[in-house]
Amino acid sequence: DIVMTQTPLSSPVTLGQPASISCRSSQSLVHSDGNTYLSWLKQRPGQPPRLLIHKISNRFSGVPDRFSGSGAGTDFTLKISRVEAEDVGVYYCMQTTQFPYSFGQGTKLEIK
Amino acid sequence: EVHLVESGGGLIQPGGSLRLSCAASGFTVSSNYMSWVRQAPGKGLEWVSVIYSGGSTDYGDSVKGRFTISRDTSKNTVYLQMNSLRAEDTAVYYCVKTGGGYWGQGTLVTVSS
Repeated sequence: DIVMTQTPLSSPVTLGQPASISCRSSQSLVHSDGNTYLSWLKQRPGQPPRLLIHKISNRFSGVPDRFSGSGAGTDFTLKISRVEAEDVGVYYCMQTTQFPYSFGQGTKLEIK
Repeated sequence: EVHLVESGGGLIQPGGSLRLSCAASGFTVSSNYMSWVRQAPGKGLEWVSVIYSGGSTDYGDSVKGRFTISRDTSKNTVYLQMNSLRAEDTAVYYCVKTGGGYWGQGTLVTVSS
């Protein structure tokens, strides 16, 4: 099974400043079809997760362009260029390259 | 517009059974892969099961042999039959379309005596 490891697990940030979350997989997420199925989701308390980024760097519909994703193989990063108050929540990386699909432990983003 | 509405959760005793439903609208379930993902109270996310467009299925190790995913194309609905329920199955169960782009609001399953 592929294990997803996120760092940090908690990230206090100042409004208007950048934030970055890392995600490492225990094996390559490159699928046999050539795509890398690494996604980022955000969850607020009492709400279902919401997809932000899919296939490493593609923003989902309606996601602000201050969110960006990068990486390859086993190492991936989510960046927020300028954190806004509405960005607080728990962020998860997720792989759907190989079943059982799996998630990182989650990173709690909070405002300082 | 895509909508996923889960139902069927509730309080059930250990060893009991429940069937969750996920009614979909705005797309055809049989043309997508549909999944169930769960989240125990205060915990992270766990992928439970998936049914692919061709009809094949996969299960996480923690539910293999106890849970069954299926779909009814005439009702555009996906199901999760859960048998031999355990306390550790207590969670909010989400219905998810394809690669996580769309999630339902979830239904809570509580396994307790």
